Amino acid sequence: DAGVIQSPRHEVTEMGQEVTLRCKPISGHNSLFWYRQTMMRGLELLIYFNNNVPIDDSGMPEDRFSAKMPNASFSTLKIQPSEPRDSAVYFCASTRSPGTVNTEAFFGQGTRLTVV
Amino acid sequence: DAKTTQPNSMESNEEEPVHLPCNHSTISGTDYIHWYRQLPSQGPEYVIHGLTSNVNNRMASLAIAEDRKSSTLILHRATLRDAAVYYCILRDWAASGGSNYKLTFGKGTLLTVNP
Repeated sequence: DAGVIQSPRHEVTEMGQEVTLRCKPISGHNSLFWYRQTMMRGLELLIYFNNNVPIDDSGMPEDRFSAKMPNASFSTLKIQPSEPRDSAVYFCASTRSPGTVNTEAFFGQGTRLTVV
Repeated sequence: DAKTTQPNSMESNEEEPVHLPCNHSTISGTDYIHWYRQLPSQGPEYVIHGLTSNVNNRMASLAIAEDRKSSTLILHRATLRDAAVYYCILRDWAASGGSNYKLTFGKGTLLTVNP
């Protein structure tokens, strides 16, 4: 298995532009998580899905952020409009079964977003 | 999620054992103890987890105190590739509303391994 695949690996955009980050979870995993990591705030959970349904989006910073999971093999995190303070590394992670704390989470390599 | 406390940083020498402590004095009976690590420029990766008994796997060992208020991740022979931030996380299997899916990361311990 190729693991969790995120694209792009790096994104540089201008303030005000729309940014879309993509994630392909491991096949057979039915829970998916989006995290953001900065030096100041560390790893923050933004939102997670179970069986393509958003379960908890309380970590989404504001309405400029939205996430979708149209099917079991694809998810997007969109920022519109982007701001310099959105600059961070965004990670996607997936796990095998819902509601099981023994489940190991697998993380992608992340997308480094820079908003200038 | 219950709170964990870890030292900000630790240093070790290559080929020597490393003991990474974690305090979780408010742990509940349904909290599992999970450890993840994050190598430079990579996403976090799972290391080990346990509930009450000590656990071993190919990466590390997890020693859990009898009262479960603390645990120690043990790397038996540190290598340069073990230099990373190590996170100790509690996950409550009984949490309702799907919240037990969550992995909430703290600041972790930055482990430096000297050659």
